[in-house]
Amino acid sequence: NAGVTQTPKFRILKIGQSMTLQCAQDMNHNYMYWYRQDPGMGLKLIYYSVGAGITDKGEVPNGYNVSRSTTEDFPLRLELAAPSQTSVYFCASSPTTGTSNLGQFFGPGTRLTVL
Amino acid sequence: DAKTTQPPSMDCAEGRAANLPCNHSTISGNEYVYWYRQIHSQGPQYIIHGLKNNETNEMASLIITEDRKSSTLILPHATLRDTAVYYCIGADYGGATNKLIFGTGTLLAVQP
Repeated sequence: NAGVTQTPKFRILKIGQSMTLQCAQDMNHNYMYWYRQDPGMGLKLIYYSVGAGITDKGEVPNGYNVSRSTTEDFPLRLELAAPSQTSVYFCASSPTTGTSNLGQFFGPGTRLTVL
Repeated sequence: DAKTTQPPSMDCAEGRAANLPCNHSTISGNEYVYWYRQIHSQGPQYIIHGLKNNETNEMASLIITEDRKSSTLILPHATLRDTAVYYCIGADYGGATNKLIFGTGTLLAVQP
């Protein structure tokens, strides 16, 4: 299994540009999450999904959108990039609650800079 | 979700046990204590979790006090590769979303 994969690894955007951060998992996990991590800080939850077609806001959803058309993929969309969105973005997945729980599995991250 | 308090940093000598404390005095009865770690620039990695009994796996041991207000993560023989930020998180295992709320964690520096 590849686990959780994210593309791209690095990206520089200009203010006002848009982009989509890709996330995919091959573990058949129903739950998927997007976090951002600013320098020296812990991770903050942006959006999450409990299954295909179902998404919900986390702590810091403003400026982002998500979709979940398949179990495997959970893309994060930035419509109008702002310098405040400069961060490292992590995608994660986990099995359905109630089963043997090994926690969330994280991808390697996407480092985004908005200038 | 329970608020957790951890020291910002700790040192440990290589080969010795690393004991990382966490205070979670507001944890509710259905919230588990989870531990994750994040090695520089990588995604967080799950270590262990528990409710009220002590737990052990191949990576670490988790000791939870009887009143569940605090816990200690033990790395029995720390190596240089264990240098990382360690996060203690209170989360509802049986909840509908498996959401995790990360604090700033403890930076463990293993010294040679």
